[in-house]
Amino acid sequence: GDSVTQMEGPVTLSEEAFLTINCTYTATGYPSLFWYVQYPGEGLQLLLKATKADDKGSNKGFEATYRKETTSFHLEKGSVQVSDSAVYFCAPPRGGNNRKLIWGLGTSLAVNP
Amino acid sequence: DTGVSQNPRHKITKRGQNVTFRCDPISEHNRLYWYRQTLGQGPEFLTYFQNEAQLEKSRLLSDRFSAERPKGSFSTLEIQRTEQGDSAMYLCASSSGQVTVNEQYFGPGTRLTVT
Repeated sequence: GDSVTQMEGPVTLSEEAFLTINCTYTATGYPSLFWYVQYPGEGLQLLLKATKADDKGSNKGFEATYRKETTSFHLEKGSVQVSDSAVYFCAPPRGGNNRKLIWGLGTSLAVNP
Repeated sequence: DTGVSQNPRHKITKRGQNVTFRCDPISEHNRLYWYRQTLGQGPEFLTYFQNEAQLEKSRLLSDRFSAERPKGSFSTLEIQRTEQGDSAMYLCASSSGQVTVNEQYFGPGTRLTVT
């Protein structure tokens, strides 16, 4: 069945460090891919998306490229800030009718000043 | 656009009681989802509506759980005879689209504590 594998946390970085959170998936076809972020005590927010292969989604300094050949959608940021401390979820849709999102455990990120 | 709203934000109930949560999606969105999230976990799919039709329900959902979306707008999730294991954050999300999935917009959640 469809699934997502996301890098385990927690990840702890110093401010201005480079961030990579790996995400690979299995799905039928080439669906749109999403990264969501959940700040402490808040609901999930869409961070970025890519709708087709080789697309790069970007927002708030975060980027992720849809790699069809490796079925990956790794999240990157060149210089993290304390305010980026949150839990990040990679969410590829389920294959077939693509109506649901598959959720992994998320990756907790803590950025220290 | 006021976003997805959920009420109440917090609910404390005693085991065995019934509880009902409400979700108001973004007005033009035809799809509505309910999830449950426990600490340290990702959202767990419960059920999904397209307009007023409940198209899918998780097999993890026992008969104590029921959801409705009578007019294709707001939705309610009811849990009967609550158990301590039902304690979690209940999330609602909405999205637009007919065929493929589009991004989902989440509400702030309802935190349920069963004592």
